[in-house]
Amino acid sequence: AAGVIQSPRHLIKEKRETATLKCYPIPRHDTVYWYQQGPGQDPQFLISFYEKMQSDKGSIPDRFSAQQFSDYHSELNMSSLELGDSALYFCASSLDRYNEQFFGPGTRLTVL
Amino acid sequence: EDQVTQSPEALRLQEGESSSLNCSYTVSGLRGLFWYRQDPGKGPEFLFTLYSAGEEKEKERLKATLTKKESFLHITAPKPEDSATYLCAVQAHLRGNMLTFGGGTRLMVKP
Repeated sequence: AAGVIQSPRHLIKEKRETATLKCYPIPRHDTVYWYQQGPGQDPQFLISFYEKMQSDKGSIPDRFSAQQFSDYHSELNMSSLELGDSALYFCASSLDRYNEQFFGPGTRLTVL
Repeated sequence: EDQVTQSPEALRLQEGESSSLNCSYTVSGLRGLFWYRQDPGKGPEFLFTLYSAGEEKEKERLKATLTKKESFLHITAPKPEDSATYLCAVQAHLRGNMLTFGGGTRLMVKP
């Protein structure tokens, strides 16, 4: 079965640089979510999109922005990167807003 | 504020030794409670969704149950391949579609 695709899988950036993470949801899924998971921590909700519109917003820094495109893929843009942004970033998708969320393999971001 | 607490934090079992993981929650209007399994460095893998007290779901050696205050994930005759972190998450009516996760239980099953 098709799963959520995330790219890149690993990313190394310097402080103050920018990064763009991409997410391709499961086919026919119309809702995309972004989560951040620090070392030894739970996934923390950042933001979600339903039918290309922002749906809910969590603890997403102002330096981050995201959008969902017409083909339902989503991108998380991160600017002025800080050391504390080093984490696993997961994208999840669901069929409609309140159904079970299926997670991708994650992008491991390292900020040096 | 929604709170989700999982216990124990870590659990070591011998292969075949059944046990239960607990997820206690305080939520203003539960829409759903979700169980996930996560292997190190990988994305959470969906296991179950429970919506109302009294509901039960089963899958192979796993069985999830729900009351008004907590959920249990029962593992029957576990195998080493069941070793992982098990995450519980809640979705509340007043908080849109975000998931709030508990701290997870790290399960290790020894042969």
